[in-house]
Amino acid sequence: DTEVTQTPKHLVMGMTNKKSLKCEQHMGHRAMYWYKQKAKKPPELMFVYSYEKLSINESVPSRFSPECPNSSLLNLHLHALQPEDSALYLCASSPRTGTGNTIYFGEGSWLTVV
Amino acid sequence: GQSLEQPSEVTAVEGAIVQINCTYQTSGFYGLSWYQQHDGGAPTFLSYNALDGLEETGRFSSFLSRSDSYGYLLLQELQMKDSASYFCAVRDPGANNLFFGTGTRLTVIP
Repeated sequence: DTEVTQTPKHLVMGMTNKKSLKCEQHMGHRAMYWYKQKAKKPPELMFVYSYEKLSINESVPSRFSPECPNSSLLNLHLHALQPEDSALYLCASSPRTGTGNTIYFGEGSWLTVV
Repeated sequence: GQSLEQPSEVTAVEGAIVQINCTYQTSGFYGLSWYQQHDGGAPTFLSYNALDGLEETGRFSSFLSRSDSYGYLLLQELQMKDSASYFCAVRDPGANNLFFGTGTRLTVIP
């Protein structure tokens, strides 16, 4: 079982709604990630936090806003999304950033924008 | 940039052996990882090769040839539960990213 916990597992929201996805890990990892995955496609990186500081933003639209309140928590705030943003959103963590660190994924949050 | 190519689909019989290939083109190389993802589930780490050769973990083995920019995942004694998508992946240290291959859908049939 994954030790990266994501909530909610499923979310349906309208294009004018504001919602948040939440992620939690208690493995002491200092790097946390948000990935987006469309059906039958590989996961694609959105954001990377290293030691609670945003280190990478892969040119993600501003309607997605990440937040890292502490080393165990990661949020993704959603506002004014589009139907094409419907996807599986995966949170992940690793001990640190860097090539020797395995990345562990949560079960994901299925987002549907209507 | 990074590019990792895999066959899109593979079908194999229960109890058999199957090999899933991955060819890559990367700017810098720091090892090849393999992940398994069942429908509706999370990608789960399977193995990592930093150096050339074979790494064995139970029924799963992974091979890397850096000179050929090629690796593969070998699954032995296939079970129905092995039906899943399999991704090879490389670390992009400049972007602190795990970059995934195109993915292979494995279907195990009785």
